[in-house]
Amino acid sequence: DSGVTQTPKHLITATGQRVTLRCSPRSGDLSVYWYQQSLDQGLQFLIQYYNGEERAKGNILERFSAQQFPDLHSELNLSSLELGDSALYFCASSYTPNTEAFFGQGTRLTVV
Amino acid sequence: AQSVTQLGSHVSVSEGALVLLRCNYSSSVPPYLFWYVQYPNQGLQLLLKYTTGATLVKGINGFEAEFKKSETSFHLTKPSAHMSDAAEYFCAVSRNTDKLIFGTGTRLQVFP
Repeated sequence: DSGVTQTPKHLITATGQRVTLRCSPRSGDLSVYWYQQSLDQGLQFLIQYYNGEERAKGNILERFSAQQFPDLHSELNLSSLELGDSALYFCASSYTPNTEAFFGQGTRLTVV
Repeated sequence: AQSVTQLGSHVSVSEGALVLLRCNYSSSVPPYLFWYVQYPNQGLQLLLKYTTGATLVKGINGFEAEFKKSETSFHLTKPSAHMSDAAEYFCAVSRNTDKLIFGTGTRLQVFP
């Protein structure tokens, strides 16, 4: 158990809908990362937050957004969902951006 | 820009045989290099990492990797495969330990 908690574990939703994925980082970790794992694109970095502020952005679609709250948990919002958004979404956390990141078990999103 | 190439999407070995998973990287700055393992329906677990210092890095579960700057490689090895090593392995590069750029993964099968 990495100490990073992601909910829900599985999510099935229809095209056009909006979902929110939640991540609770390890106790004391200030930095949160979101990654997407799909068969087409592999593992891709989406976005990073550090202590509530956006720090880095990767291949994140405009339909996707994220935030990190004062209690340091993070949410990834996916809207206007398409079939191609079906993937495993991982959250990772680290104490600071320059220390080892620990991954959660992921949320498997299926868009039908 | 940084990138990672993992040669061989599938590797099969017999139990007790040497495991060799190949990873080559491209980076315009001194890289930080990582190997992660993903078991079915699990998150990513860090096996080992190279940041600075000794180029031969030992990790968990008997794995090790050697950073070879002249060959831009960071191959993962284990002298004797065990059935429990069957999983997907990802090589990743980073400028520090910040956002990770992953390779496409190598699925390791271990036969009795």
